[in-house]
Amino acid sequence: DIVMTQFPDSLAVALGERATINCKSSQNVLSSSNNKNYLAWYQQRPGHPPKLLMYWASTRESGVPDRFSGSGSGTDFTLTISSLQAEDVAVYYCQQYFGTPQTFGQGTKLEIK
Amino acid sequence: QLQLQESGPGLVKPSETLSLTCTVSGDSISSSSYYWGWIRQPPGKGLEWVGTVYYSGSSYYNPSLKSRVTISIDTSRNRFSLRLTSVTAADTAIYYCARLASRSSLYYFDYWGQGSLVTVSS
Repeated sequence: DIVMTQFPDSLAVALGERATINCKSSQNVLSSSNNKNYLAWYQQRPGHPPKLLMYWASTRESGVPDRFSGSGSGTDFTLTISSLQAEDVAVYYCQQYFGTPQTFGQGTKLEIK
Repeated sequence: QLQLQESGPGLVKPSETLSLTCTVSGDSISSSSYYWGWIRQPPGKGLEWVGTVYYSGSSYYNPSLKSRVTISIDTSRNRFSLRLTSVTAADTAIYYCARLASRSSLYYFDYWGQGSLVTVSS
């Protein structure tokens, strides 16, 4: 299985400041056939199901604010929130869909400082 | 707007079978454009992919659960179902149904149900 490791496990950021969440895969998730990284990011607010934020590592899902951005390639990826808003308090998960079973990171809890 | 809704018993006894159904509205589950899946989340923990199914009935399962899990699809009722046998306390979780955003069995999930908490306890 491809193991996804996120860091930090938790993060406290002041409103309006930048938040950065990292995700590392145990194997490469970049396809040589289409040059795409098979990596998605989800946001899970308390008491709610996960919500898709990003796919192909850096493509924003429709309706997701542009303060969210994704970057990275191969085995190392980053989700950045450029200016933290109160509604961004949540747990964030990365997911690889390159190999079966598709696997998720353990989650990063984002709070307001 | 696509909506998914899980339903089923909230309490299952150890060694018995967990059964959940996901009813889809707003789109036909018979569409060849998508796979449909189940993901679970133990209380306070992370996400685990359980399995996926296509309108044709083709299914794929997490090897960690493969011997105990069956996912079936009922296109006439626009729903798909999960069966997990011989459950233990470790199977206690919120079970989500979701749509994969592609006809590939390996993909990201773009629509999720609200989740159904299933507790395994005598």
